[in-house]
Amino acid sequence: IAGITQAPTSQILAAGRRMTLRCTQDMRHNAMYWYRQDLGLGLRLIHYSNTAGTTGKGEVPDGYSVSRANTDDFPLTLASAVPSQTSVYFCATSPQWGQEFGSPLHFGNGTRLTVT
Amino acid sequence: SQQGEEDPQALSIQEGENATMNCSYKTSINNLQWYRQNSGRGLVHLILIRSNEREKHSGRLRVTLDTSKKSSSLLITASRAADTASYFCATDLPTQGGSEKLVFGKGTKLTVNP
Repeated sequence: IAGITQAPTSQILAAGRRMTLRCTQDMRHNAMYWYRQDLGLGLRLIHYSNTAGTTGKGEVPDGYSVSRANTDDFPLTLASAVPSQTSVYFCATSPQWGQEFGSPLHFGNGTRLTVT
Repeated sequence: SQQGEEDPQALSIQEGENATMNCSYKTSINNLQWYRQNSGRGLVHLILIRSNEREKHSGRLRVTLDTSKKSSSLLITASRAADTASYFCATDLPTQGGSEKLVFGKGTKLTVNP
């Protein structure tokens, strides 16, 4: 079934540990995004990638890094997790980059991360 | 800071009633999108309206856009229990280099009681 796969679905992580959230798509979409969703704050963009080989910073990039070695994969790494990174993380894709024309996002089902 | 803000934060109605959710934004936009999120799931795209459009329909959904007031509304007619979800508006954020990002509001939580 075509779509976006995020792994793991949930994780409890000790503060200070390194963690990589995985996102894989099979739709060959150019653009990929990482959002975090927190109660009362909605969705906030962490990092994005318009195409393989390029990445950009969103609203809340500090403490996170991404890479886009190929079209399908867009992993999000927390180098040294802190409790404020407790959140639900969503990976999303869109067929083309450039939102001025309106390119609907497709979302994965999220990774629920708890940092203790 | 958030580009879009939904209002109300929560809405509870009876099945068969209409539900109206509003979204206000701060800067000029090229387009506005509405998404739905069921509990524990990712967001699903519902409808897109461009800045030169005033109204769009899709099934039981009607979206309006007033660029002079920087606001949009989502109307769900004849609501069903299955419409229970959170609804988000999202706008592009035009910059000198283009409009690479989609910025989401905080959402309206809709409960439709059977």
